[in-house]
Amino acid sequence: RKEVEQDPGPFNVPEGATVAFNCTYSNSASQSFFWYRQDCRKEPKLLMSVYSSGNEDGRFTAQLNRASQYISLLIRDSKLSDSATYLCVVSTGGGNKLTFGTGTQLKVEL
Amino acid sequence: GAVVSQHPSWVICKSGTSVKIECRSLDFQATTMFWYRQFPKQSLMLMATSNEGSKATYEQGVEKDKFLINHASLTLSTLTVTSAHPEDSSFYICSASWDFANTGELFFGEGSRLTVL
Repeated sequence: RKEVEQDPGPFNVPEGATVAFNCTYSNSASQSFFWYRQDCRKEPKLLMSVYSSGNEDGRFTAQLNRASQYISLLIRDSKLSDSATYLCVVSTGGGNKLTFGTGTQLKVEL
Repeated sequence: GAVVSQHPSWVICKSGTSVKIECRSLDFQATTMFWYRQFPKQSLMLMATSNEGSKATYEQGVEKDKFLINHASLTLSTLTVTSAHPEDSSFYICSASWDFANTGELFFGEGSRLTVL
């Protein structure tokens, strides 16, 4: 079983739609969780951290479910510019070592 | 904001040659940098952790004699792919952080796309 698993997609949604991604992780000792965004042939960039209580940043909401070992990302009112690959990232061991999921591709269409 | 720069952004080389990729932190000191490799439609795979002034720590399955890492200063780490072969063709990305414990943010270089003919 992979340490971090994501549905690769692609998710094709119309502009304005709400879309949600899930990500599961296998190591119950994982401590920190993040969503990164990666545009085609570009480097990943931090979208948001995921806190135990859940957190929201504009149209983006991230949640963590430790009991079921998954995190989620909800995007409301999708924009064309949201088209990208969303990487689920998990940190274990308290250091800078991160494990990346394969990413979920989102395509927002007119 | 913090910036990490990589060079070259792309390189094409003949099989058997060596290629050096540089990773620089432009406005902060990075005692630790990370090197990743990403094949098409796959996740970033950590290759090694580069520590300033000491030997790199390689992940399981990564040949340290093939992927030479040097972190001679607090702002520069280099990855040398020695005797490159077509199967080494990939997207190599470095990352660094000045305050990961508090921010949880790693800054990535722009990546270096290596094609070995």
